[in-house]
Amino acid sequence: GAGVSQSPSNKVTEKGKDVELRCDPISGHTALYWYRQSLGQGLEFLIYFQGNSAPDKSGLPSDRFSAERTGGSVSTLTIQRTQQEDSAVYLCASSLERFQETQYFGPGTRLLVL
Amino acid sequence: DQQVKQNSPSLSVQEGRISILNCDYTNSMFDYFLWYKKYPAEGPTFLISISSIKDKNEDGRFTVFLNKSAKHLSLHIVPSQPGDSAVYFCAASATDSWGKLQFGAGTQVVVTP
Repeated sequence: GAGVSQSPSNKVTEKGKDVELRCDPISGHTALYWYRQSLGQGLEFLIYFQGNSAPDKSGLPSDRFSAERTGGSVSTLTIQRTQQEDSAVYLCASSLERFQETQYFGPGTRLLVL
Repeated sequence: DQQVKQNSPSLSVQEGRISILNCDYTNSMFDYFLWYKKYPAEGPTFLISISSIKDKNEDGRFTVFLNKSAKHLSLHIVPSQPGDSAVYFCAASATDSWGKLQFGAGTQVVVTP
């Protein structure tokens, strides 16, 4: 079956512009996660969604970052007024349910802020 | 504050030999640990996991060992194969924050012929 997909695969933007990153989780997966990986760093948790529960936003680095999950499926991560330090690979993952710790990752979106 | 640490950024091993990757953690609340493997331009793929109630879990060529008292885990790959060349991430989670994985910085493994 289809895995987690993300779009765009690469995004180059100018400082100060807004960007939207999209994630399509595996069908039937109720939990969805966003991480980012900066150069030479491990994955940093950003936010997760579980069913209709309020999302855990505790990893979002600033109020310029927000995420939505519509209809319990597709998710969009929005970064407003991008800064150069936002340059990273943004990874989305999904799992069957919150307590299913095996998260399946998408290929990521490589964001470069000039 | 880095709660999961992989102190070796790289490891080179000959094909057929054992690869040993190490991971240390500081949060005593962590009770579930995972290893992910990542190829360039791809997302991480799940490899193997271990619960804190165990000290060893084996899956084919991959074995994970957990030493809770030392807050240390390791991944053994035996025998190493060229296709194992990748970045390996250690990750951990705590029961009260399931869904939030803490990752190490990764270890680049290169398997040479």
